[in-house]
Amino acid sequence: GDQVEQSPSALSLHEGTGSALRCNFTTTMRAVQWFQQNSRGSLINLFYLASGTKENGRLKSTFNSKESYSTLHIRDAQLEDSGTYFCAGPASGGSNYKLTFGKGTLLTVTP
Amino acid sequence: GPKVLQIPSHQIIDMGQMVTLNCDPVSNHLYFYWYKQILGQQMEFLVNFYNGKVMEKSKLFKDQFSVERPDGSYFTLKIQPTALEDSAVYFCASSSSGTGVSGNTLYFGEGSRLIVV
Repeated sequence: GDQVEQSPSALSLHEGTGSALRCNFTTTMRAVQWFQQNSRGSLINLFYLASGTKENGRLKSTFNSKESYSTLHIRDAQLEDSGTYFCAGPASGGSNYKLTFGKGTLLTVTP
Repeated sequence: GPKVLQIPSHQIIDMGQMVTLNCDPVSNHLYFYWYKQILGQQMEFLVNFYNGKVMEKSKLFKDQFSVERPDGSYFTLKIQPTALEDSAVYFCASSSSGTGVSGNTLYFGEGSRLIVV
């Protein structure tokens, strides 16, 4: 099965609202990286976490390596937040050189 | 932030022909990667390259694929010959160290969309 499971697969938000995206790992991950893939297909780095919580503007991410999950919180959603959000991580005990990606959460922000 | 540049952004090529995708990684980075994304699907690891050598490759990295970075120039992915199933967006990435090292981050280019007809 997939090592990185993302939920929900799709999410619709009205401008100004917020929600959380989740990433569950079926194997121990040493770190997690979150990306936004915008409408042009570009991958934008959001966060890299080896543990704990990081915040950047309207985004906040937490990585709980013991319970094998990570979350990405979006507050006060804006139209430009629309896109697909991917989490990815290097598996412990595995290669140092490979990120395993989830299938993504498609976020649509509407006026 | 740090930029990874990819050339070309789009290419259409006849099946059986050779294609070279070019990547200009972040200037002080030492590890380079190629990932493949078929439309609407997740990113799949292809290969990692460090110090002039392939460190790891996935089963998607077929014999027809090769990578190199001659003399610190572009990091390239060459497919020869191309097949219809090679149609995808290929993303190059770079990092200052291996992904297992604390504090490391992968930076991705904007992708090269390859269409094999």
